[in-house]
Amino acid sequence: AQKVTQAQTEISVVEKEDVTLDCVYETRDTTYYLFWYKQPPSGELVFLIRRNSFDEQNEISGRYSWNFQKSTSSFNFTITASQVVDSAVYFCALSEIRYGGATNKLIFGTGTLLAVQP
Amino acid sequence: DGGITQSPKYLFRKEGQNVTLSCEQNLNHDAMYWYRQDPGQGLRLIYYSQIVNDFQKGDIAEGYSVSREKKESFPLTVTSAQKNPTAFYLCASTSTTSGGSPTQYFGPGTRLLVL
Repeated sequence: AQKVTQAQTEISVVEKEDVTLDCVYETRDTTYYLFWYKQPPSGELVFLIRRNSFDEQNEISGRYSWNFQKSTSSFNFTITASQVVDSAVYFCALSEIRYGGATNKLIFGTGTLLAVQP
Repeated sequence: DGGITQSPKYLFRKEGQNVTLSCEQNLNHDAMYWYRQDPGQGLRLIYYSQIVNDFQKGDIAEGYSVSREKKESFPLTVTSAQKNPTAFYLCASTSTTSGGSPTQYFGPGTRLLVL
């Protein structure tokens, strides 16, 4: 069965600190996608990144970076020099890859609430 | 602008009443999804549809119904059989064609409260 675990329920940091959000997943599929979404207080889920299981290259986008390690089934998310605007709930999700009738069903973790204090 | 719209933003349901949540997308996406989010939890899949006039149950379909008469629209009805409907409901869509992006994009959500 597929499962995503975000063990950190809440994290509180002071502005300008670096913070890493952990994500561990389980799947029997050899090919899959991993995602991170941000949910600000307004509620809408904002897509941040998608990574497929073929590509273990780390990704950096501005203050955000992602570390995908297939050997440990982890896809961790680091925010460098955090800002108050980063305060939100962050979800990690897993999706199967299928061709011709893909469901693209997303399996979500329970989310990590990040509070950045000024 | 392309995107997903959901209405209403807030919805109140009386006991025994059916209510319908609207989801519309103009992204020309084939697949659409309904998720439910409870406080402090992740999203759980209610129903999904990959093509017009076809839909499949997700993990928590009991007490809900959907229709997919148009590619752009995927309304969700919360029936009186759903005993605990208070939650935040999110609609999503994605392209399933070869070469299309498999990323699901979400609407702004509808918060359903029981009176």
